[in-house]
Amino acid sequence: EDQVTQSPEALRLQEGESSSLNCSYTVSGLRGLFWYRQDPGKGPEFLFTLYSAGEEKEKERLKATLTKKESFLHITAPKPEDSATYLCAVRGYNFNKFYFGSGTKLNVKP
Amino acid sequence: NAGVTQTPKFQVLKTGQSMTLQCAQDMNHEYMSWYRQDPGMGLRLIHYSVGAGITDQGEVPNGYNVSRSTTEDFPLRLLSAAPSQTSVYFCASSVGQGASGANVLTFGAGSRLTVL
Repeated sequence: EDQVTQSPEALRLQEGESSSLNCSYTVSGLRGLFWYRQDPGKGPEFLFTLYSAGEEKEKERLKATLTKKESFLHITAPKPEDSATYLCAVRGYNFNKFYFGSGTKLNVKP
Repeated sequence: NAGVTQTPKFQVLKTGQSMTLQCAQDMNHEYMSWYRQDPGMGLRLIHYSVGAGITDQGEVPNGYNVSRSTTEDFPLRLLSAAPSQTSVYFCASSVGQGASGANVLTFGAGSRLTVL
């Protein structure tokens, strides 16, 4: 069964304190791993897609990496505006089904 | 270009009542889907559609019906609401479908449903 586990559930950082969020997955035939950001009361917004082990993507202070069993979202020198819930999702053999983790709620204090 | 529009934003129902959550997109996306989001459980796929007239079940389809008569609209129907259906519902669409499947999802703002 396709499954996604995210850790930690919550993370509190001081502004400028770098850290990483983890997404471990079990999927039959990975056809893409997706990262989304969700602000309170809003729908998730797309950040990155990774397709193969070793792939990396960057956007401002965020960098996503992928191995055969997990993905990391590295946050370098975060700012308070990076506070949000970060969601990870995978797509397997069924190209039209996505499986989401329960998210990591990030709080960056000034 | 409004993206994905969901209505209503909030709804309170009594057990046994029926209702329809509306979802419309103006991006000409073939793929549309419904998720529910519950605390600690993440987003779970209810139903999805890869085009007009084509729908399929996701992880948690029981208690929900869908149909897709146009490319733009994908309503979610609750025929007899139960307290277990209290949740936040998200509609999402994607440009991809067919052999390459759905890809990056564009989400609506969500509909918060409470069933008493």
